Amino acid sequence: EADIYQTPRYLVIGTGKKITLECSQTMGHDKMYWYQQDPGMELHLIHYSYGVNSTEKGDLSSESTVSRIRTEHFPLTLESARPSHTSQYLCASSEFSPQETQYFGPGTRLLVL
Amino acid sequence: LAKTTQPISMDSYEGQEVNITCSHNNIATNDYITWYQQFPSQGPRFIIQGYKTKVTNEVASLFIPADRKSSTLSLPRVSLSDTAVYYCLVETDTGNQFYFGTGTSLTVIP
Repeated sequence: EADIYQTPRYLVIGTGKKITLECSQTMGHDKMYWYQQDPGMELHLIHYSYGVNSTEKGDLSSESTVSRIRTEHFPLTLESARPSHTSQYLCASSEFSPQETQYFGPGTRLLVL
Repeated sequence: LAKTTQPISMDSYEGQEVNITCSHNNIATNDYITWYQQFPSQGPRFIIQGYKTKVTNEVASLFIPADRKSSTLSLPRVSLSDTAVYYCLVETDTGNQFYFGTGTSLTVIP
């Protein structure tokens, strides 16, 4: 089983608040990802990283930002939360290899009131 | 970026074999085909991956025809716990482009 953790699991917050969703993995994987998924809908890649100090935007435009200061840590930040940010956020990691498999965390369910 | 097309939903009785087909007409030469399983309120979990012909593991089999424009995930003798969403994913060998699609929602009926 993969060791990838996300906190918090659930978050209810008011509009305008700054929030940071945490993601950590203990597998030493170089690549990490953030996906956004609404209930019953497809996953959308919003950010990814090839390694320390590397961050890229995914195919879904997002108002969030990410950082990768340490290999094991890939936090996602929303400077000013809005109700449209309500969704599930999934973090994943993988090795840097041609046939990489992504390992997903349990997700964070965010509700912005 | 090779996009995929799968049936939105499928139903099956317990104990039956289930085959879920995925179309990926624009698959590139170096792309791999990977299937993931997702239960409600959880992240997707890797099931199986292949490049061509047939791959089998303890959970499933993956059949890929010679033209690689489609693939079929086969789940032998499904149980109620196999009720989940199954995603077909085409990954480039550089690994920086992913498209999960809408997946196939499988419901196993007692």
